Amino acid sequence: EAQVTQNPRYLITVTGKKLTVTCSQNMNHEYMSWYRQDPGLGLRQIYYSMNVEVTDKGDVPEGYKVSRKEKRNFPLILESPSPNQTSLYFCASSIRQGHYGYTFGSGTRLTVV
Amino acid sequence: QKEVEQDPGPLSVPEGAIVSLNCTYSNSAFQYFMWYRQYSRKGPELLMYTYSSGNKEDGRFTAQVDKSSKYISLFIRDSQPSDSATYLCAMTPPPGTSYGKLTFGQGTILTVHP
Repeated sequence: EAQVTQNPRYLITVTGKKLTVTCSQNMNHEYMSWYRQDPGLGLRQIYYSMNVEVTDKGDVPEGYKVSRKEKRNFPLILESPSPNQTSLYFCASSIRQGHYGYTFGSGTRLTVV
Repeated sequence: QKEVEQDPGPLSVPEGAIVSLNCTYSNSAFQYFMWYRQYSRKGPELLMYTYSSGNKEDGRFTAQVDKSSKYISLFIRDSQPSDSATYLCAMTPPPGTSYGKLTFGQGTILTVHP
């Protein structure tokens, strides 16, 4: 089944403790992206990657890092999480940059206390 | 001003009603327009897309784009309880600009009650 897999689905952590949210897609998609979803603000892009070793900032990149060492994987790293990073996170992929058909993962609900 | 504005609702309708969901946008460079549906505890899934002004129909769903007014709509006919979800409009400039970033509306929460 073609899908984007995120882990974990739920995570509660403490301020300052580094964490990684994994994302993997099995569709050989070139383009991958991370979004956060907050009430009243909708989905906002954090980082994106057009291909292996090519990443760039989205609209809200502060406090986040990403890497794209393999085509299928695009982990999101929070080096020192803070409470304002409490949110619902989605990884998405598409065939290529500019394609309309994004496939989203099921989301990771992160709480930073 | 946000680039894409969407009434967050919530919208509650009886089964069988016609539902109208709307978004306005300010960036005239947007060329591709999409509607995503998001069920509770799930990621958004693509419902419909279009890249020109006019109407596009798919079963009970009709997407409408008016580029001159910078206004898009999604109509749901004969709404069903299974249509209860959050509906997100999204749009993007043509490929080669802004690296394929979708700009989303805030989402409208729809509940269809039996």
